[in-house]
Amino acid sequence: ELKVEQNPLFLSMQEGKNYTIYCNYSTTSDRLYWYRQDPGKSLESLFVLLSNGAVKQEGRLMASLDTKARLSTLHITAAVHDLSATYFCAVDIEDSNYQLIWGAGTKLIIKP
Amino acid sequence: NAGVTQTPKFRILKIGQSMTLQCTQDMNHNYMYWYRQDPGMGLKLIYYSVGAGITDKGEVPNGYNVSRSTTEDFPLRLELAAPSQTSVYFCASSMGTGSLSNQPQHFGDGTRLSIL
Repeated sequence: ELKVEQNPLFLSMQEGKNYTIYCNYSTTSDRLYWYRQDPGKSLESLFVLLSNGAVKQEGRLMASLDTKARLSTLHITAAVHDLSATYFCAVDIEDSNYQLIWGAGTKLIIKP
Repeated sequence: NAGVTQTPKFRILKIGQSMTLQCTQDMNHNYMYWYRQDPGMGLKLIYYSVGAGITDKGEVPNGYNVSRSTTEDFPLRLELAAPSQTSVYFCASSMGTGSLSNQPQHFGDGTRLSIL
């Protein structure tokens, strides 16, 4: 069964702290996407990771991809309240018209 | 830049009614998708299209139909609405496969549908 598992599913943390969200997937893929969703809003693309070892950074967020371990991480550095949102990872299915399989999302609450 | 536009934003239906959720994109994307998102959950693919005249089922197609007569438009039809179809529906588009899949999917703002 094709699965994308995120953990944790819920994270409450203090401003200024560091933390990592994990995304494990069960199928061969070398394309992984991270999205952000604010409450009641649409999904916004954060990162597209295209190969093993890919690392991308934007502000306090850094994403990486290890295709051999079938693992991606989203690292938050010195968290600020504005990063509170739900974060989703999604993986391409290469042999099915590049449909995406989505993780359940990590709801992140950052307290002042 | 309009991107992906969905209408309506909100709708309440009675059980057994039908309706069409509209989706249009102005980015000349070949690929379009319909997802549903239940409260506190991730996205589930209902239908997708790889180009005008071509559609295929996703993970949860039962109770829905789609058509793709133009590159821009990808409407989703609900026939005989049921309470289980209460959800938020997102339409998305992307450039395509292979090297074109290096670009992310772009999402509309969603349609919040309640069936009572």
